[in-house]
Amino acid sequence: EPEVTQTPSHQVTQMGQEVILRCVPISNHLYFYWYRQILGQKVEFLVSFYNNEISEKSEIFDDQFSVERPDGSNFTLKIRSTKLEDSAMYFCASSERGTGNTIYFGEGSWLTVV
Amino acid sequence: AQKITQTQPGMFVQEKEAVTLDCTYDTSDQSYGLFWYKQPSSGEMIFLIYQGSYDEQNATEGRYSLNFQKARKSANLVISASQLGDSAMYFCAMRGVSGGYNKLIFGAGTRLAVHP
Repeated sequence: EPEVTQTPSHQVTQMGQEVILRCVPISNHLYFYWYRQILGQKVEFLVSFYNNEISEKSEIFDDQFSVERPDGSNFTLKIRSTKLEDSAMYFCASSERGTGNTIYFGEGSWLTVV
Repeated sequence: AQKITQTQPGMFVQEKEAVTLDCTYDTSDQSYGLFWYKQPSSGEMIFLIYQGSYDEQNATEGRYSLNFQKARKSANLVISASQLGDSAMYFCAMRGVSGGYNKLIFGAGTRLAVHP
């Protein structure tokens, strides 16, 4: 069964460093998303991406965050200067359509900022 | 504003029994979608089931069914014949026009423990 894959599964980084989280969405999907889940808290929407541009973003997704689809398969989330409060599980997700009935998540990337 | 409420922080069920996980939602949208996800201790988010607001029949996927009561704004997940592997966190989520149709709003989750 097709799946969303994410790398790395876990990354430890020093405060102030740049981090890039990578995702390979399901191949025929057109909509891509990043969510995050701080330990013990709700899953929160960060950004959605369609047709090579951001279609929606939350207030969490400030200037230190950016997303990119550098080629036909990868979808990346970059955090420019990490803070302690960026420590979380980051989920990539994809869906075939924007109004579709299934949004599939990857296994997540644990980011620990020290 | 859209909101998802899961009032059961934890539930337990005996293996092979059925269990209902509660979810209520708040939205002024006419068109919206409701989702359930399972998060095992390993952390991944596994899609379980979807219900569209215009779907007249309750969604079912194997042992999972969604008890959709539109007037009450509830979308409870029913797991039949529980298995030990069902022990996990379960999240209810929704998407709708006013909240931004491209994003899911999640509830706080319910931790289910299945006992042998």
